[in-house]
Amino acid sequence: AQSVTQLDSQVPVFEEAPVELRCNYSSSVSVYLFWYVQYPNQGLQLLLKYLSGSTLVKGINGFEAEFNKSQTSFHLRKPSVHISDTAEYFCAVSDSSSGGSNYKLTFGKGTLLTVNP
Amino acid sequence: EPEVTQTPSHQVTQMGQEVILRCVPISNHLYFYWYRQILGQKVEFLVSFYNNEISEKSEIFDDQFSVERPDGSNFTLKIRSTKLEDSAMYFCASYSPYTIYFGEGSWLTVV
Repeated sequence: AQSVTQLDSQVPVFEEAPVELRCNYSSSVSVYLFWYVQYPNQGLQLLLKYLSGSTLVKGINGFEAEFNKSQTSFHLRKPSVHISDTAEYFCAVSDSSSGGSNYKLTFGKGTLLTVNP
Repeated sequence: EPEVTQTPSHQVTQMGQEVILRCVPISNHLYFYWYRQILGQKVEFLVSFYNNEISEKSEIFDDQFSVERPDGSNFTLKIRSTKLEDSAMYFCASYSPYTIYFGEGSWLTVV
């Protein structure tokens, strides 16, 4: 079984400040890792994913995340946030040994990022 | 860019009524899912579907729930007799290698 812990339920920051949203996971098997964003009243949009290779992954809207296997973490970062980044951010993990029909995501509880002017 | 579409976007139903939530997955995808998000809680896996049958389901997906792909394009989730605790956002998703794409969700309110 897998689990995801997002340590901060809410992160308020000022516009143009850097931000880090923390994610730790637990799994007995190797994993793929994802960050999804949910803007108010919208669905889940994929920000970025780690499958293999370079541990630093770049995504859309200037976000990046770093996979740290020893610390079982996949923290999301952005060097300078905009008001439009205000949203809920979800970290998710899947078992990398499965595929297709058994390919399911386990989500964290989410972190609400609020960017203030 | 192709997307997963869901209808209705919001439905209010009385407790005990049947509800059908509809989804049109991305056209060349073969694996489909339903997830649920109760207000303020995490997104939870309900069921996965491949080759016209359920491949995996969670504990949440009890006998009140069913899924089907009636016509080769739509993918539906039926809740036979809704309960108050079924109030949630329901997300349909479809799979392309290594990525699951989500629809915008159907917000179900049971009163």
